[in-house]
Amino acid sequence: QKEVEQNSGPLSVPEGAIASLNCTYSDRGSQSFFWYRQYSGKSPELIMFIYSNGDKEDGRFTAQLNKASQYVSLLIRDSQPSDSATYLCAVKEAGGTSYGKLTFGQGTILTVHP
Amino acid sequence: EAGVAQSPRYKIIEKRQSVAFWCNPISGHATLYWYQQILGQGPKLLIQFQNNGVVDDSQLPKDRFSAERLKGVDSTLKIQPAKLEDSAVYLCASSDPARGYNSPLHFGNGTRLTVT
Repeated sequence: QKEVEQNSGPLSVPEGAIASLNCTYSDRGSQSFFWYRQYSGKSPELIMFIYSNGDKEDGRFTAQLNKASQYVSLLIRDSQPSDSATYLCAVKEAGGTSYGKLTFGQGTILTVHP
Repeated sequence: EAGVAQSPRYKIIEKRQSVAFWCNPISGHATLYWYQQILGQGPKLLIQFQNNGVVDDSQLPKDRFSAERLKGVDSTLKIQPAKLEDSAVYLCASSDPARGYNSPLHFGNGTRLTVT
């Protein structure tokens, strides 16, 4: 069973700070990595994805990928109370009979306090 | 575009009863997924369809769960008989593989099942 691990938190940061969310994965052949945000009682919604080593920025969000360490992270700059949610890391397998299969971590609860 | 539609939104049943969930994906999305999300956990893939064929059902408890996607559009997920541990949110998602390997999953609002 391929695994995706996240710190369950909760992670609490003050408004305006940088929130750092981490994720490790077990399948070295994984190709793509996704970050989803899930508000309480709602469905996951995609924030961004990354598939190349290094950083990828989208507004206040930066995803970082290190395939050698099997590690992916999400940084949220200038955190706002509206960012308070559960953040899910998801890893896409490399193909075969499970083409496109997305495996989720357990999620990290983030709370941004004013 | 219209999103992924799921029904019902909520369902309460007693253990050993049966229940069915329905999903209508985004028009044109060939790939459809059913995930189970237990409170406090991440979504777990139950079954993945490509058109009307099953791509992955390795984590589907086949002694009690079944799913079908007739005509490659709508899908139903059934549980019979239900157990207490089946209490969860059942999420349907769809994606368009024609948009590439990293085409995102679009989730429906989910069905919250409570088994008493």
